Amino acid sequence: QTVVTQEPSFSVSPGGTVTLTCGLSSGSVSTTHYPSWYQQTPGQAPRTLIYTTNTRSSGVPDRFSGSILGNKAALTIAGAQADDESDYYCVLYMGSGTWVFGGGTKLTVL
Amino acid sequence: QVQLVESGGGVVQPGGSLRLSCAASGFTFRNYNMHWVRQSPGKGLEWVAFIRYDGSDKYYAESVKGRFTISRDNSKNTLFLQMNSLRAEETAVYYCAKDSRWHFDLWGRGTLVTVSS
Repeated sequence: QTVVTQEPSFSVSPGGTVTLTCGLSSGSVSTTHYPSWYQQTPGQAPRTLIYTTNTRSSGVPDRFSGSILGNKAALTIAGAQADDESDYYCVLYMGSGTWVFGGGTKLTVL
Repeated sequence: QVQLVESGGGVVQPGGSLRLSCAASGFTFRNYNMHWVRQSPGKGLEWVAFIRYDGSDKYYAESVKGRFTISRDNSKNTLFLQMNSLRAEETAVYYCAKDSRWHFDLWGRGTLVTVSS
């Protein structure tokens, strides 16, 4: 069974830059997985940040960017702010009408 | 106002059934594919099921295949998830989400399903 991997936790200083990644237990992530990224704070529904690898959702600041880095999808947050402290999830389209979420990364800004 | 509102959650015994609904408004529901996604307490997101805009195709996560059924009524702008043979580990908040270009571009607030005796 395919597993989508994310760092369980990450820490960044205010104003700093952080890159979160999204990989596969077997194989490489490519644009054909249409990677997308979501931000979620406790008790809230997820908020869409990035889709189709690097397209920002409406209203998302350009501090957030998506890319493919090596064999993984990546979410980069530049100029981190206190309210970026959240859980971040990636999801990959695996074909045949199925999607798989990563386990999520808990980002701390301190 | 563009929104999705889930309902139908509650407490059900292991082995029991529940039917969730998701009412869509503010967009042309019949034109969009839709999903169900769930999140167990303190855990990550899990994709559950997908249905094409006209109901012609349905896909499921392996963990729910054969027990859950996704459906829709485009005349009532409503998405459904029929859940049978529920297990304790399926206690979760269930979200419906609108699909756009292989991602989830609109989420509801979710409805809590608790499977417990």
